[in-house]
Amino acid sequence: AQSVTQPDIHITVSEGASLELRCNYSYGATPYLFWYVQSPGQGLQLLLKYFSGDTLVQGIKGFEAEFKRSQSSFNLRKPSVHWSDAAEYFCAVGATGGSYIPTFGRGTSLIVHP
Amino acid sequence: EAQVTQNPRYLITVTGKKLTVTCSQNMNHEYMSWYRQDPGLGLRQIYYSMNVEVTDKGDVPEGYKVSRKEKRNFPLILESPSPNQTSLYFCASGPGQGRETQYFGPGTRLLVL
Repeated sequence: AQSVTQPDIHITVSEGASLELRCNYSYGATPYLFWYVQSPGQGLQLLLKYFSGDTLVQGIKGFEAEFKRSQSSFNLRKPSVHWSDAAEYFCAVGATGGSYIPTFGRGTSLIVHP
Repeated sequence: EAQVTQNPRYLITVTGKKLTVTCSQNMNHEYMSWYRQDPGLGLRQIYYSMNVEVTDKGDVPEGYKVSRKEKRNFPLILESPSPNQTSLYFCASGPGQGRETQYFGPGTRLLVL
């Protein structure tokens, strides 16, 4: 069965600092990979996705993520964090094989200090 | 505007009183699903539907029912709610049978007393 691990429950950064959120997945082949953001009181919104091709993908709000097959990772990065980036971030794997159920990580809560 | 809508957004009820949370999407997606979100547990899928009249269990289906009589609607039914079903619920839809991007509703916060 596929799984997604986000090892950091909380991350605290200062405004203007760089950010990296970690995500590791477990699946035999390369699945479809996603990062979603959940702002307080709202639903999840897609930040970016990787299906194939260039392993560095650009998303909305200045985010990017890099797929590394050898490490089974799909880490999310942003060079300079803004206070409005404070939110919950979820890494996800699309349904694969004979399953029709996407798998989400447990989320990383980003706290931004002024 | 492409969107997934849910109603109600907030709901307080008592144990055993049947309730329905509605979900509707206007993107013509065949795949729809329900999730619950609990602190420390992330999102867990309750049920999904591949198309009209085609539904199946997700990871945590106990205590829930769904129906898919129309492509755009996918209501979640709690026949006899219990306090352990207090949670934040999200409806989602998407193309590609769960493989591709999921589009989420704004969430329904449920408290069962």
